[in-house]
Amino acid sequence: GIQVEQSPPDLILQEGANSTLRCNFSDSVNNLQWFHQNPWGQLINLFYIPSGTKQNGRLSATTVATERYSLLYISSSQTTDSGVYFCAVAASGGSYIPTFGRGTSLIVHP
Amino acid sequence: GAVVSQHPSRVICKSGTSVKIECRSLDFQATTMFWYRQFPKKSLMLMATSNEGSKATYEQGVEKDKFLINHASLTLSTLTVTSAHPEDSSFYICSAPRDRGRLDTQYFGPGTRLTVL
Repeated sequence: GIQVEQSPPDLILQEGANSTLRCNFSDSVNNLQWFHQNPWGQLINLFYIPSGTKQNGRLSATTVATERYSLLYISSSQTTDSGVYFCAVAASGGSYIPTFGRGTSLIVHP
Repeated sequence: GAVVSQHPSRVICKSGTSVKIECRSLDFQATTMFWYRQFPKKSLMLMATSNEGSKATYEQGVEKDKFLINHASLTLSTLTVTSAHPEDSSFYICSAPRDRGRLDTQYFGPGTRLTVL
């Protein structure tokens, strides 16, 4: 099946800092999504972005499908950004069921 | 927006007992639901696909007799952990897609934390 690798595995930031999270995948995808899992476990959709660039407030994401990676940018981080960020993908032509990466654990200190 | 609920949110049980977890889509019908398991500081592992009106599809390595799935209606899927043991302790999450072909219509439940003593 498709492989999904996320980096870095852990990230510690001071409030106000910017960061970039990366998701590499091993095959062509037609679905890709970024999630934030809050400290209580709830998964929250951030972006559906199989290709191109999207922005939502302080967050933005870019997927370069031909090079098989996606980036999530967090600007002016806040303590509420803490949690785990997951990338989930579904391979083109295959099952639409997403495969999750191992996540990036983010801690933002005040 | 669409909401998926899970019940209970937390359960503690004795070894050998069975535990039922419910997953409901509150404002849309879901012919398919997914059950995931998440270990501490780990990714989500797909356990099975729950199909309304037919048998669930289990992922490789998941014991179907251990984790019973029933999709009784278009808004309810249940996961029963039978004869639970401490190694079954985990965070179980369900999801339901409003649109079968698109990830952006996946809605996740808040999860159920199972602790088996």
